[in-house]
Amino acid sequence: QVQLVQSGVEVKKPGASVKVSCKASGYAFINYGINWVRQAPGQGLEWMGWISPYSGNTKYAQNLQGRVTMTTDTSTNTAYMELRSLRSDDTAVYYCAREDITMFIDSWGQGTLVTVSS
Amino acid sequence: SYVLTQPPSVSVAPGHTARITCGGNNIGSKSVHWSQQRPGQAPVLVVYHNSDRPSGIPERFSGSNSGNTATLTISRVEAGDEADYYCQIWDSIGGHYVFGSGTKVTVL
Repeated sequence: QVQLVQSGVEVKKPGASVKVSCKASGYAFINYGINWVRQAPGQGLEWMGWISPYSGNTKYAQNLQGRVTMTTDTSTNTAYMELRSLRSDDTAVYYCAREDITMFIDSWGQGTLVTVSS
Repeated sequence: SYVLTQPPSVSVAPGHTARITCGGNNIGSKSVHWSQQRPGQAPVLVVYHNSDRPSGIPERFSGSNSGNTATLTISRVEAGDEADYYCQIWDSIGGHYVFGSGTKVTVL
């Protein structure tokens, strides 16, 4: 079965960077896009961006352009999301999520809480 | 950017039917997907392509989509259905996913 296992809780100071990992198993990693979605405390879901493990192509949400980088390592079936210049409003649970080839998100990681606080 | 509108909350008694709407401009021309998020957990897909169910999702969950409104229907509601529900579409013009604001279902 599809599994996406993310790295653990992070606590960062404003201005720092964070890198969250997402290890995939149970399917052909290279064939499915990976999206990153975040959820601020008590809020809804916000799409952050997408990466193709096959090509390395990416697309980022406009409001995060310049601060976010998504990468993959096909040798370990792992996706990464790095967010720089962290602010307090970046405090959220960050999810990786696989997308079906017919363009919907069908599987989610367990989430990684990132807290930004001085 | 395409906007999906959901009611903040829906309350339903056990055994009754909950209907959660997701509004959008001509949403009937798009494919709508629904996820359930229980407190403290990651979302789980419950309906995709308007009305299909992933394996393991009870038949009590069904979906429809027409005109400007998509609907997730939960029949014979159980206490375990208490959760937030989010609709989702792929915005092919913007090249990104769009989520509704979420609806909290409370089982009375």
